[in-house]
Amino acid sequence: AQSVTQPDIHITVSEGASLELRCNYSYGATPYLFWYVQSPGQGLQLLLKYFSGDTLVQGIKGFEAEFKRSQSSFNLRKPSVHWSDAAEYFCAVGASGGYNKLIFGAGTRLAVHP
Amino acid sequence: EAQVTQNPRYLITVTGKKLTVTCSQNMNHEYMSWYRQDPGLGLRQIYYSMNVEVTDKGDVPEGYKVSRKEKRNFPLILESPSPNQTSLYFCASSLQSNSPLHFGNGTRLTVT
Repeated sequence: AQSVTQPDIHITVSEGASLELRCNYSYGATPYLFWYVQSPGQGLQLLLKYFSGDTLVQGIKGFEAEFKRSQSSFNLRKPSVHWSDAAEYFCAVGASGGYNKLIFGAGTRLAVHP
Repeated sequence: EAQVTQNPRYLITVTGKKLTVTCSQNMNHEYMSWYRQDPGLGLRQIYYSMNVEVTDKGDVPEGYKVSRKEKRNFPLILESPSPNQTSLYFCASSLQSNSPLHFGNGTRLTVT
């Protein structure tokens, strides 16, 4: 069965520091992978997606993610975190090959120290 | 402004009292879906709809109903709510099955 694991429930970084949020997935075929961000009281906003091609994908707000098939991972990175990046981040896999049925990880809550 | 609108934002009710959470999108999207979000579990799909009069179960459909009588609306119905349905609910829509999902701002439901 498809699944997504985000090993870190909470992460705290200092403003200006680099960030990496981990995501591991379990899926039989080539996955469609996504990262979403949820700010307090808000819905989810798509940061970036991977369907095929270049394994390093760029997203909004300066985020990028790298698909590593051998490690079944799709980690999210940002070189320099801003205080406004404090939010909850969700990794998801498109279980039916697209957006129809997303399987989400449990989320990683990011806190940013000034 | 393109958006997915859910109402109400907050709802407190009692066990067994039927309720409806409305969802409306103004983007002429074909695909709509409901998710519930629970701590430590992420988001889980309840129901989805590929188009008018076409709906299907997601991963956790028990205790919920949906309808899609018109393209813009996709209400979530709880005929007899129970405390285990206390959760944060999100409606989402996309133009087609392979288009980005747009999420509403959520409905926080408490069933006592």
